[in-house]
Amino acid sequence: GAGVSQSPSNKVTEKGKDVELRCDPISGHTALYWYRQSLGQGLEFLIYFQGNSAPDKSGLPSDRFSAERTGGSVSTLTIQRTQQEDSAVYLCASSFKGETQYFGPGTRLLVL
Amino acid sequence: GEDVEQSLFLSVREGDSSVINCTYTDSSSTYLYWYKQEPGAGLQLLTYIFSNMDMKQDQRLTVLLNKKDKHLSLRIADTQTGDSAIYFCAERDPLWSSARQLTFGSGTQLTVLP
Repeated sequence: GAGVSQSPSNKVTEKGKDVELRCDPISGHTALYWYRQSLGQGLEFLIYFQGNSAPDKSGLPSDRFSAERTGGSVSTLTIQRTQQEDSAVYLCASSFKGETQYFGPGTRLLVL
Repeated sequence: GEDVEQSLFLSVREGDSSVINCTYTDSSSTYLYWYKQEPGAGLQLLTYIFSNMDMKQDQRLTVLLNKKDKHLSLRIADTQTGDSAIYFCAERDPLWSSARQLTFGSGTQLTVLP
C-alpha cells in the first residue's frame, strides 16, 4: 500500500475489557514497530518485529500487552484487561530492514 | 541508554526562519531524525542525518549536527502557517546494536503567527 495503515482509528472501551489494534505495514517492509504516545510519558517504544527473528519486547509495559505479526506482514497489538492508564495513541511504524521508520496515523484508545 | 531533550514551545512570525533544537546523549554511530506531527495525525518523516555528518539540506529544511556538544537543530526557512505542528527529534539505537527502536524527545510545539 501507499503507507502504513492502522485500524480502528479510534476505540473507546470499558475498563477490564480486551482490545485489539491492527497495523498494516508498507508493502515490502520487513520490520514493524509499535509505539505508544501518552500525555504523561511522551512517545515510548513498545515492540519491534524483524523478519522471522524473535521480536524485541523490551518496551512492553506489562504482561497485559502482547503483539503478534502473522505472515511477516500484518500485526495485532492486544491489550488485555484494559486500565485507564492504557488510554493513549498507539502508533505503528514500518521500515525496510532496520532503516528509516514510517509511521501510520495511529489508533486513539480511550479506556473509561 | 539514549536520552533526547527538546524545548517545549517556539513561536515565530510567518516568513521568518524557525530553529528547533534538540540534545542527545549517546555518542555511538547512529541516525538522528526529525518528525512532524499535526493535530490528530501520525508522525511524518521530515529528514534525517547520520551521526558523522555536520549538515544536511533539503529544500526549506536544514539540519545541523554538533557532535562535540551532541546538539541537533532543524531550521525551517520562510516558515508558513502550515508549518505549525509538533516537531519531534529522535535518535535510533546504535548501529552496532541489534535493537532498532527510536528514542524521542518530548516534542516542540511550533506556532507560526501571521
